[in-house]
Amino acid sequence: DAGITQSPRHKVTETGTPVTLRCHQTENHRYMYWYRQDPGHGLRLIHYSYGVKDTDKGEVSDGYSVSRSKTEDFLLTLESATSSQTSVYFCATGTGANSPLHFGNGTRLTVT
Amino acid sequence: AQSVTQLGSHVSVSEGALVLLRCNYSSSVPPYLFWYVQYPNQGLQLLLKYTTGATLVKGINGFEAEFKKSETSFHLTKPSAHMSDAAEYFCAVSDSGGGADGLTFGKGTHLIIQP
Repeated sequence: DAGITQSPRHKVTETGTPVTLRCHQTENHRYMYWYRQDPGHGLRLIHYSYGVKDTDKGEVSDGYSVSRSKTEDFLLTLESATSSQTSVYFCATGTGANSPLHFGNGTRLTVT
Repeated sequence: AQSVTQLGSHVSVSEGALVLLRCNYSSSVPPYLFWYVQYPNQGLQLLLKYTTGATLVKGINGFEAEFKKSETSFHLTKPSAHMSDAAEYFCAVSDSGGGADGLTFGKGTHLIIQP
């Protein structure tokens, strides 16, 4: 949807290793978001961006950092992965405040 | 802070029967409300949205939802369930304060269609 590509689609990593997930969009949407989806919790916002180099924390930001150096790319980094970060991560984009979000197909991350 | 409550983590209906998925929200300002659907191993797709104006909103695939301010509800309905409706459904809210800090989602309802 909205030309959103997440990479990788699946990743298995070990506790303590750094991990970077990438979100790439082709629609020139201003706003970009990272959510995690866990059973019984729905989707929870990790970080979001409202422009190049403009980012802010969401509900569950501890242990995560983000960067946005270009409009089309939004990176999510786990500096030192933990088992509690095993989840499905979704990138989303939006065109304006309160606009519907468009989602990528997700990245399934397993931390062993 | 805004929040969303979806009643029932699993709802089972027979094919051809009415679908009713419940959503209640909490918001200190007039809300923008959304329903999304998620099929296995996919991202979320927008079903419908309420911003302002008409309180009965029609979406894709025959779904509709009604915003009831007095009940702080935004329930999703479909008159006749189809097997292809089996999926996870999420209600979401955004306050209308102009912020761009994303949507707040409910925990989801898994819709099961019995043949």
